Amino acid sequence: DAGVIQSPRHEVTEMGQEVTLRCKPISGHNSLFWYRQTMMRGLELLIYFNNNVPIDDSGMPEDRFSAKMPNASFSTLKIQPSEPRDSAVYFCASSIDGKGEKLFFGSGTQLSVL
Amino acid sequence: RKEVEQDPGPFNVPEGATVAFNCTYSNSASQSFFWYRQDCRKEPKLLMSVYSSGNEDGRFTAQLNRASQYISLLIRDSKLSDSATYLCVVRLGRANNLFFGTGTRLTVIP
Repeated sequence: DAGVIQSPRHEVTEMGQEVTLRCKPISGHNSLFWYRQTMMRGLELLIYFNNNVPIDDSGMPEDRFSAKMPNASFSTLKIQPSEPRDSAVYFCASSIDGKGEKLFFGSGTQLSVL
Repeated sequence: RKEVEQDPGPFNVPEGATVAFNCTYSNSASQSFFWYRQDCRKEPKLLMSVYSSGNEDGRFTAQLNRASQYISLLIRDSKLSDSATYLCVVRLGRANNLFFGTGTRLTVIP
């Protein structure tokens, strides 16, 4: 199994630009999570989906952030417009059960907003 | 108050040493507990779950103290390859939400 696949690995953009992060969960996993990691705040849950349906998006910082999961094998996290304070590592994770107890993380996207 | 708190370290220990990390959680309704390991510039990976009765996996021992709301991880006979950041993770009730601590950094020195 290829594991959770994220793209791009690195993204450098200018303030105000739109950023789209992509994730392909492990086949057969029915839960997908988007996390953001910074030195100061650690790993924070942004949103999670169960069976492609958003269940909890209370962690999404503000309206500039949106996430979609059009099918079981693909999800996107979009930031529009991006700001320097969005700079972080964004991880996608999936789990086979509805409890998310054992998460499999992708390699992450290092986002730098200049 | 943060859901999960850890001493960030760093802990610098010689090879072969025994090292222990503690983690405290704020919500007494927390039901599941885990330790994840994260190598530098890599993704977190599940190290072990923490059961009420305590559990051991080779050189690693995890314990839970519900009365005091803390979780511990003990590493015996430290190896250079144990150098990483160890994340304490707590799940509340049936929610699909895992709360991660900010991690404790361990460096094992030759």
